[in-house]
Amino acid sequence: EAGVAQSPRYKIIEKRQSVAFWCNPISGHATLYWYQQILGQGPKLLIQFQNNGVVDDSQLPKDRFSAERLKGVDSTLKIQPAKLEDSAVYLCASSCVTGTRNQPQHFGDGTRLSIL
Amino acid sequence: DQQVKQNSPSLSVQEGRISILNCDYTNSMFDYFLWYKKYPAEGPTFLISISSIKDKNEDGRFTVFLNKSAKHLSLHIVPSQPGDSAVYFCAASGDNYGQNFVFGPGTRLSVLP
Repeated sequence: EAGVAQSPRYKIIEKRQSVAFWCNPISGHATLYWYQQILGQGPKLLIQFQNNGVVDDSQLPKDRFSAERLKGVDSTLKIQPAKLEDSAVYLCASSCVTGTRNQPQHFGDGTRLSIL
Repeated sequence: DQQVKQNSPSLSVQEGRISILNCDYTNSMFDYFLWYKKYPAEGPTFLISISSIKDKNEDGRFTVFLNKSAKHLSLHIVPSQPGDSAVYFCAASGDNYGQNFVFGPGTRLSVLP
């Protein structure tokens, strides 16, 4: 089974620039998550999709972050414009649903974003 | 407000001994708990889970214990191996969270040869 694919692995940009990350989840996984992990902290959920609909985006800074999951498969996360505090690893994860519960997520290796 | 806490940022254990990683939570609505392991430059990998209807779950060298009254869970690794050196995250979920998982800040385990 192929894992969750993310690109790019690393990105360095200057503040106020824009950046986009891409994620391809495990085939058949209905649920897709984007997390932000700041150094020394646990992953923090930014947005959760069920198929191509948004389930939870309560912690997404919507003035600068946006995400979409067209056709319920791949997803992109965009930051525009970037701030210094956005420096973090951005993790994508996917899971399947059994009954009413999401199963443990499978994570990609993340994109490490550095803002200069 | 941190709902999932891992109060030990790091832990060092001798190879072959037991590693005990602790996790505390504050939200009594959490009913499903997981442990993830993370190596540098990789995403977290699911290790073991436990539902609130159980107080213990075992998988090989890994055992998770849940004490609901204390809102505390622990991960035991016996015997510890150098390959277990990683950051371990505790995560919790409940139906009231739309089935999302809330992660703790992690504990870095170093297993010394």
